[in-house]
Amino acid sequence: EPEVTQTPSHQVTQMGQEVILHCVPISNHLYFYWYRQILGQKVEFLVSFYNNEISEKSEIFDDQFSVERPDGSNFTLKIRSTKLEDSAMYFCASSLGQGQPQHFGDGTRLSIL
Amino acid sequence: GEDVEQSLFLSVREGDSSVINCTYTDSSSTYLYWYKQEPGAGLQLLTYIFSNMDMKQDQRLTVLLNKKDKHLSLRIADTQTGDSAIYFCAESRMNNNAGNMLTFGGGTRLMVKP
Repeated sequence: EPEVTQTPSHQVTQMGQEVILHCVPISNHLYFYWYRQILGQKVEFLVSFYNNEISEKSEIFDDQFSVERPDGSNFTLKIRSTKLEDSAMYFCASSLGQGQPQHFGDGTRLSIL
Repeated sequence: GEDVEQSLFLSVREGDSSVINCTYTDSSSTYLYWYKQEPGAGLQLLTYIFSNMDMKQDQRLTVLLNKKDKHLSLRIADTQTGDSAIYFCAESRMNNNAGNMLTFGGGTRLMVKP
């Protein structure tokens, strides 16, 4: 069964550095998402992406964050000038269409030191 | 804003049925989902229900939706030790924007005792 693939599984970064998290969505899916889960808290929506542009974003997704689909298969989340509170599990998801179920990757655990 | 709530913990004996409950506040919710998360793994989609349905059954899983009370439940029949995991309820609503964000509950940890 097709899967959403995320790399790396664990990323350790110094505070203030930039980090890029990578995702390969399911190949025929058209909608892409990023979510995060801070330890002990709920999974929170960050951003959705469709037709090469952001379609919706949450209050969390400020100027520190950006997303990109650099080629036909990858979907990246860039976090600039990382802070301690950015430490979380970041999940990528994709769906075939609007309203279709979202399929999640295994996540990238981001640790900011 | 929208909110989704779940109880934190449920313990059952192997072979019994498990019922995990969820309440939500958004009356315009269109789809409601159940995801399973095993230790160290991602969110696995278990099942989902459209808001105009009352019930959906898929093998050992039964989803019940009470739209009036904004209450969703997941029943797992003949619960096995492999069902031990965290179960997340999530809701979404259709909007004019492309894509639809999910709002998650805090997850219910199911422990199955042999």
